Amino acid sequence: SQTIHQWPATLVQPVGSPLSLECTVEGTSNPNLYWYRQAAGRGLQLLFYSVGIGQISSEVPQNLSASRPQDRQFILSSKKLLLSDSGFYLCAWDWGADGDTQYFGPGTRLTVL
Amino acid sequence: TQLLEQSPQFLSIQEGENLTVYCNSSSVFSSLQWYRQEPGEGPVLLVTVVTGGEVKKLKRLTFQFGDARKDSSLHITAAQPGDTGLYLCAGAVQMDSNYQLIWGAGTKLIIKP
Repeated sequence: SQTIHQWPATLVQPVGSPLSLECTVEGTSNPNLYWYRQAAGRGLQLLFYSVGIGQISSEVPQNLSASRPQDRQFILSSKKLLLSDSGFYLCAWDWGADGDTQYFGPGTRLTVL
Repeated sequence: TQLLEQSPQFLSIQEGENLTVYCNSSSVFSSLQWYRQEPGEGPVLLVTVVTGGEVKKLKRLTFQFGDARKDSSLHITAAQPGDTGLYLCAGAVQMDSNYQLIWGAGTKLIIKP
């Protein structure tokens, strides 16, 4: 069976500090991978998605970046965090087919102070 | 820009009451999914509807896909406190050789005992 991991679960960072959030998937190969950000009690904002190693599509221009160094590893980064980067970050995977379920990781709660 | 509008944004009712939440768009989707999310966790799939006019039932939850595949509704009968959560709809659209999900902003549902 497939599992998706995210870490850390919670992070408090000062403004201007760097960020690295990691997501890994087990039990599947060549998945589509996604990074979302969610404001409290609201919907999902797609940040990045990847259909393969080294292939990253950005949906929202901002000071975040993503990388996919391995098939089942997806990393969200920033060189300098802003207050507005605070939120709940979710990683997800699917196979990109019509009607596919997206499976989500447990999320990372990021607070920028 | 494809948008999925969910209504109401927030709903608080007493245990035992019925309710309906809506998901509307001007775009046609090849399929539509409903997810439920609890605080601090990732969304979990409830149902996928594919055919226009399709109705699916999941215990006390009834999901309907509009005839034109532009809208959907979720009806809960005799709501229970365990139904509390954020309900998200997501429509699938084809992007290149993959399908991506367009997400609604969610309906936050609270069922009071």
